[in-house]
Amino acid sequence: EVQLVESGGGLVQPGGSLRLSCTVSGFTLRSYWMHWVRQAPGKGLVWVSRIDNDGSYTTYADSVKGRFTISRDNAKNTLYLQMDSLRAEDTAVYYCARDADGMGGTADYWGHGTLVTVSS
Amino acid sequence: DIVMTQSPLSLPVTPGEPASISCRSSQSLLHSDGYSYLDWYLQKPGQSPQLLIHLASRRASGVPDRFSGSGSGTDFTLKISRVEAEDVGIYYCMQALQAPFTFGPGTKVDIK
Repeated sequence: EVQLVESGGGLVQPGGSLRLSCTVSGFTLRSYWMHWVRQAPGKGLVWVSRIDNDGSYTTYADSVKGRFTISRDNAKNTLYLQMDSLRAEDTAVYYCARDADGMGGTADYWGHGTLVTVSS
Repeated sequence: DIVMTQSPLSLPVTPGEPASISCRSSQSLLHSDGYSYLDWYLQKPGQSPQLLIHLASRRASGVPDRFSGSGSGTDFTLKISRVEAEDVGIYYCMQALQAPFTFGPGTKVDIK
């Protein structure tokens, strides 16, 4: 069974940092591109970042470019999102998701999400 | 960036009746491979999103056949042939053609 489990969320002050993790099971992480998607409280879905199989190619939404860094450790079956210079508007549930085919942005499996709250 | 719009934003439905949601993109989602890169996701209350349809009309694994997707280019439709109570939630279309991948605002489906 494919599973994605996010962790690392919590309360952080504006300007602070947080690292999210997504541990996967039921499939071989190195075979898939991966995404982070976020959802502010009561709002819609927003794509954040994508990484290719070996971490050599990454893409970001403009709103997080230069502040967030996506990475992966295939040996540990884990995807990461390093979030620096956090702002109140980064408050959201962050989902990791598996890319379906490495062609476009389709996400076929999602984690349950981890809540990040940026507030003083 | 490609802008996605959906209509209606709210859809009260009667179990057993059909339902339809429209999605439009600000530019064509047609790839050179002949496919339109348009996904449909359902987020049930309190849950994470789940993939229903990809490439505009291909049902994801395990998705009931009462769900169907159609359209090409910039205009797309998700249809539920006979709504069931478990289908309530927010339906999002998303363009999967190019980063940044963008979602529509969502259509909230609930039971009348």
